[in-house]
Amino acid sequence: KAGVTQTPRYLIKTRGQQVTLSCSPISGHRSVSWYQQTPGQGLQFLFEYFSETQRNKGNFPGRFSGRQFSNSRSEMNVSTLELGDSALYLCASSSASGASYEQYFGPGTRLTVT
Amino acid sequence: KQEVTQIPAALSVPEGENLVLNCSFTDSAIYNLQWFRQDPGKGLTSLLLIQSSQREQTSGRLNASLDKSSGRSTLYIAASQPGDSATYLCAVSLNSNYQLIWGAGTKLIIKP
Repeated sequence: KAGVTQTPRYLIKTRGQQVTLSCSPISGHRSVSWYQQTPGQGLQFLFEYFSETQRNKGNFPGRFSGRQFSNSRSEMNVSTLELGDSALYLCASSSASGASYEQYFGPGTRLTVT
Repeated sequence: KQEVTQIPAALSVPEGENLVLNCSFTDSAIYNLQWFRQDPGKGLTSLLLIQSSQREQTSGRLNASLDKSSGRSTLYIAASQPGDSATYLCAVSLNSNYQLIWGAGTKLIIKP
């Protein structure tokens, strides 16, 4: 069974631009969660989707948004990029109800904002 | 507010030693606790998941324990190897929420 895949793996953007990251969960998994990892703040929860519905959202500004498609693939969008958005963005999929079950992570997308 | 703490932040031991990594959390109302490892610049690999009703889980040389009443979990690594060098993170999920709350991690170096 293929693991969680994320594209692209690396991105370089300039301040003010917007970016879209993609995550394909493990086949059969319906829950997708997104996390931001930075050296200063560590891992922080962004949001979680289940069956195309956002069920939970972390404490991030509205510039961070996401969606999930009927095939469970998810995208995350960041608008008006700031230097502080430079981070490793990780998505995780789960077979059932979000974090109640084991989460499997993708390799991440490394975003650099200049 | 749930907070997760991992001590020590870094640990360096000779190959072959048994070692223990610690994770503590402030709110005992957790649904489960998960241990991960992260290699430099890489994603996260799930090591062990302990449900709140369980006391421990084992996988190969790894054993994780959970004591909800004291808000503690330990990850025991037996006969450490250089390939075990990585950052180890613990995370808890809450009863009423789907997000994982993370510790800052322990950076482990196993010296050959």
